[in-house]
Amino acid sequence: AQSVSQHNHHVILSEAASLELGCNYSYGGTVNLFWYVQYPGQHLQLLLKYFSGDPLVKGIKGFEAEFIKSKFSFNLRKPSVQWSDTAEYFCAVNRGSQGNLIFGKGTKLSVKP
Amino acid sequence: EAGVTQFPSHSVIEKGQTVTLRCDPISGHDNLYWYRRVMGKEIKFLLHFVKESKQDESGMPNNRFLAERTGGTYSTLKVQPAELEDSGVYFCASSQVGVGAQETQYFGPGTRLLVL
Repeated sequence: AQSVSQHNHHVILSEAASLELGCNYSYGGTVNLFWYVQYPGQHLQLLLKYFSGDPLVKGIKGFEAEFIKSKFSFNLRKPSVQWSDTAEYFCAVNRGSQGNLIFGKGTKLSVKP
Repeated sequence: EAGVTQFPSHSVIEKGQTVTLRCDPISGHDNLYWYRRVMGKEIKFLLHFVKESKQDESGMPNNRFLAERTGGTYSTLKVQPAELEDSGVYFCASSQVGVGAQETQYFGPGTRLLVL
């Protein structure tokens, strides 16, 4: 069965530190890739997505992700985190033929001011 | 533009009772998805509507769960009878139909269900 792995359950950083959250998926065919974020008390919202083209994708709030097909990875990065980035981050994948998203378990990010 | 809305935001019921969750998608979105997150686990797909038709219900846990989308607008998810393991957060998402599933799903705030 297709799966999505997020390597870190909980990450704690100080403000201005760099962030990289790992995401690997197991499906070998055509995939669409997403990172969603859930801020405390808010609903899931899209950070960025990759469908095709340039494997380096820029999203909202300074986030970016790189699709590396050979590694089945779609890691999320931000060069300098802020306290307001404290949230839970979800990597998700869908296959080219099916719209339903397959999610990783999520990574909680805590940023210390 | 209004986002995806869900009702109720919270529900606490006893085992054996019935609960009905409602989702109103973004206007014009033909795709409607239900997902569930059980505490400590990943968000899992339940089912997918395209307009009023069930496109994929492979994620529905068992026949205690019944989803409808009459008229292709809002959707309901009924759990009858509820069991303890049904507790979790139920999310609804909607999207416009995209080629090759290249669509952005917009999520509602979720309904937190607690079965005692």
